[in-house]
Amino acid sequence: KQEVTQIPAALSVPEGENLVLNCSFTDSAIYNLQWFRQDPGKGLTSLLLIQSSQREQTSGRLNASLDKSSGRSTLYIAASQPGDSATYLCAVKSDGQNFVFGPGTRLSVLP
Amino acid sequence: NAGVMQNPRHLVRRRGQEARLRCSPMKGHSHVYWYRQLPEEGLKFMVYLQKENIIDESGMPKERFSAEFPKEGPSILRIQQVVRGDSAAYFCASSPDQGTNEKLFFGSGTQLSVL
Repeated sequence: KQEVTQIPAALSVPEGENLVLNCSFTDSAIYNLQWFRQDPGKGLTSLLLIQSSQREQTSGRLNASLDKSSGRSTLYIAASQPGDSATYLCAVKSDGQNFVFGPGTRLSVLP
Repeated sequence: NAGVMQNPRHLVRRRGQEARLRCSPMKGHSHVYWYRQLPEEGLKFMVYLQKENIIDESGMPKERFSAEFPKEGPSILRIQQVVRGDSAAYFCASSPDQGTNEKLFFGSGTQLSVL
């Protein structure tokens, strides 16, 4: 059974800093991995999706990488802004299983 | 193309009442997922449905909870005889297909409060 963890649980950085969020999964036989953003009291917004055959995906200041063999993905945020403050969740899709979510990393970017 | 629509946004029920949560997937999406989220916790899978079929309900309690996705109309998550422990945010997500490129699109959720 797939299990997903995320570290750190919370992170506070000053504006402008580059940062990395980590996602680990136990079963490397995945279809894809998706990163989401969740603002307080809101639903989830999809940020990036990496298929199992891909190593990374980029969108603006966001870059997500995938290392299936080690069961890890990282989300890199460049030049962080206060508007980036949110909870970031990763979710893994495997064969025969539904999307499994990590507990999230709560990010605060201080002006 | 409207996103995933959930209603109501907030639902207050007294213990023992029934709660009905609705989810209209994005146009063209035939796969619907329901998740539950408790404060400060991640999303827990409840049930996965395709049109008129429950594909996987392994995350849904066997008693008091049921889900449907009829041929016409929204998907419904129904909780009978609610208890305080059912208080949570319930999120619906839809996707157009399965496989390696499957991508989830989420609604804004329904916050259920049981008094």
